[in-house]
Amino acid sequence: QKEVEQDPGPLSVPEGAIVSLNCTYSNSAFQYFMWYRQYSRKGPELLMYTYSSGNKEDGRFTAQVDKSSKYISLFIRDSQPSDSATYLCAMSGVRGSTLGRLYFGRGTQLTVWP
Amino acid sequence: GAVVSQHPSRVICKSGTSVKIECRSLDFQATTMFWYRQFPKQSLMLMATSNEGSKATYEQGVEKDKFLINHASLTLSTLTVTSAHPEDSSFYICSARDQGSSEKLFFGSGTQLSVL
Repeated sequence: QKEVEQDPGPLSVPEGAIVSLNCTYSNSAFQYFMWYRQYSRKGPELLMYTYSSGNKEDGRFTAQVDKSSKYISLFIRDSQPSDSATYLCAMSGVRGSTLGRLYFGRGTQLTVWP
Repeated sequence: GAVVSQHPSRVICKSGTSVKIECRSLDFQATTMFWYRQFPKQSLMLMATSNEGSKATYEQGVEKDKFLINHASLTLSTLTVTSAHPEDSSFYICSARDQGSSEKLFFGSGTQLSVL
């Protein structure tokens, strides 16, 4: 079993839709959770960063972490064609092999059509 | 966010030649930089962790003599693909950790390597 599981999609939604992206993980040592956006043939761009459980909102983006279920989500409200990209979840921890290194999901490819 | 500069963005080379990729943190000091490889529609695969002033730590299965990493300063790490082969063709991405925010990684724009 991979450390981080993420449905690769592809996911296709109309403009204005609410998008829900998710990852599950198996290692309870993960404490830091991130979402990256990657456009084709570009490096990933940090979108959201959260520590431990809870919600964080930044504009149209909301990140949720449920450590009891080992489940994280990214919601995009009022999605735009410019949101079309691959979204990668990533996480790291504070002990053992999780310390100081990011574990990535496979990425979900999102297309928002006008 | 912090800026990481990576170049070249694209390189085409002949089999047997060596290629150097540079990764610079422009507005912060990075004691640790990471090198990833990414195949189409796949996630990032960590190749090695580069620590300033010491030898890089390679992931299992990554040949250290083939992928030479140098991290001579707090703002620069280089990856040299030696004696490149067509199977080395891939998208290589570096990232750097901001000392002031230990868990955040910032990525370069990537280098597409094509070996003929």
